[in-house]
Amino acid sequence: SQKIEQNSEALNIQEGKTATLTCNYTNYSPAYLQWYRQDPGRGPVFLLLIRENEKEKRKERLKVTFDTTLKQSLFHITASQPADSATYLCGMNYGGSQGNLIFGKGTKLSVKP
Amino acid sequence: DSGVTQTPKHLITATGQRVTLRCSPRSGDLSVYWYQQSLDQGLQFLIQYYNGEERAKGNILERFSAQQFPDLHSELNLSSLELGDSALYFCASSVFREGGNYNEQFFGPGTRLTVL
Repeated sequence: SQKIEQNSEALNIQEGKTATLTCNYTNYSPAYLQWYRQDPGRGPVFLLLIRENEKEKRKERLKVTFDTTLKQSLFHITASQPADSATYLCGMNYGGSQGNLIFGKGTKLSVKP
Repeated sequence: DSGVTQTPKHLITATGQRVTLRCSPRSGDLSVYWYQQSLDQGLQFLIQYYNGEERAKGNILERFSAQQFPDLHSELNLSSLELGDSALYFCASSVFREGGNYNEQFFGPGTRLTVL
């Protein structure tokens, strides 16, 4: 079955630096990847979606890459701020379906002032 | 605010009991998804409904069932509850289209279930 691994449970960085979060998967290549932000006790919030035929997507200070050869997606937050502190989840389509998502366990990012 | 509502916010019950969680999707969204989130397992997909019909199943136990009503709200029924069912249960909705138009999911605030 598909497995998703997010590089670390926790990542601590200094304000102003670039945070890089990793999402690796096994088995099948997904049709798309989605990244979500989750704050404690709240539901995930959608950030970015990247399709299998796209190499890179950007939105403001966020950038996502998708490398189907490495079976990896990288999520970057540039000029990080303490307000970026949260858990970030990587999700991808579930098996052959188009709508359902399987998620990694997330990486908890802490940005120190 | 995602536009997805879930009730109740908290639920405390005993082992062996049955509970119903309710979800109202965003206006216009036909697809509803249910997820379970626990500390050790992360966010796990349970089941999807699309316009009233079951679309896909994930890691949903036989003790759990769901349905989507004509007004598109959905309910998740959990029965014969066990201690291990304690978790956050999220509902999400999306504009789901066939043929590869993948869309983001909008998550509700969740229901925290505690089984004692």
